[in-house]
Formats: sequence, structure tokens, C-alpha cells
Amino acid sequence: AQSVTQLDSHVSVSEGTPVLLRCNYSSSYSPSLFWYVQHPNKGLQLLLKYTSAATLVKGINGFEAEFKKSETSFHLTKPSAHMSDAAEYFCVVSDRRNTPLVFGKGTRLSVIA
Amino acid sequence: DAGVTQSPTHLIKTRGQQVTLRCSPKSGHDTVSWYQQALGQGPQFIFQYYEEEERQRGNFPDRFSGHQFPNYSSELNVNALLLGDSALYLCASSLTGQRMNTEAFFGQGTRLTVV
Repeated sequence: AQSVTQLDSHVSVSEGTPVLLRCNYSSSYSPSLFWYVQHPNKGLQLLLKYTSAATLVKGINGFEAEFKKSETSFHLTKPSAHMSDAAEYFCVVSDRRNTPLVFGKGTRLSVIA
Repeated sequence: DAGVTQSPTHLIKTRGQQVTLRCSPKSGHDTVSWYQQALGQGPQFIFQYYEEEERQRGNFPDRFSGHQFPNYSSELNVNALLLGDSALYLCASSLTGQRMNTEAFFGQGTRLTVV
């Protein structure tokens, strides 16, 4: 069975400073890993996905994540935070094609002007 | 492309009542999954429909049932509503048959409040 642990429930950064949202996963198979973002009263939008190709994955809006098998981690980073990045971020794992997505509990990102 | 559309956006029901939520998948997608997102939590998988049949199911009681139509749209039905069923219900569509795990596209969700 797969699971995801998001290590911080809330992260607060100043505008223009780097963002780091941490995620550890557990999976019996070679996993597919995703980061989704949810703005208030909105649905989920895919930021990026890892599906066994390059371990450094680039996503939308300047976000990227690195798959580290030895550490079972998939941390999300961005060099410079923008006010519009304030939202809830979910790390997600799936073991195989078309299996259900398993979500972490989410990390709320606040960006201070 | 309209993406994934869900209706209604908000709904208030009384305990014991029944509710039906609807989802139209993204054009070209044939698989619909439903998730429940309680306040402050990540989405939890309810079930997935493909070829008009329930293909997988999460840990939800039989009060939760669904249907998929020939045009791939889907309904989620919840009977005998409990206060604990209050949540955001998300529909996700994807395409079965691709080699790699496909991106799931999510709708805006239906906010269900049970009073």
C-alpha cells in the first residue's frame, strides 16, 4: 500500500524568498508522484508529475521537484515566491496506471509581502 | 475545452436525505474518479468508473454509490446523509489505456453541507 507524508502543515515565506515544501512517500512499486495546488474555493491543478523519467521534474509557474529514491522524498521547490503562490499544496502518489491517487494531508503556503 | 465540470457547486441537505452529484469529464477522457475532501484534509478516494462499471472502490460505506453513462459522465449518490458527509466532493477524469499514469484533471468540486 502506498502513503504520503507531508512534513509541514503550514509554511510561511516572504515574497521573493525560496519555497520548500517537503514530502515523503511509501510505495510497494515504482511510484508515480505528483504535486497538486488548490487555491481557495477552487479545484485541484496539477503542478508537476514524476513517472520514472528524469528525477528532476519541472512544472508550471516556476516550481520543480526532485525524486530521491534513497530518501523516499519528493520535495517541491521554487526559487522565488510570489503572492499568487499562496494556496494549499498536495503531494500525491500512485502505484500503477489508473490506480487511485493517494493524497497527503496538504501544506498551506502563506506568502508575506 | 470545458475541462471537468461538476454540478451543483453548492448544496445543503438535511440528515437522512439523499443527494446526487454530477460530473462531466474532460473531452476525450473515459474514466471518472470521485474523491471526498473533508475540511482541512486531503482528498480521499471514493470510487472509480470505467466502461460504465465501478472498477475500484475506496473505504466508503454502501451509502455511497455511483453510475457512469455511455457518454462517460458520472453521478455520485449518497443515501441516508450524515453530518459527517459534509465535504467538498471532487470529480477527476483521466484516460485509461495509456502506458504511463495519466494526469487526472479535477473539477471545481461540489460543496455539500448536511444540517
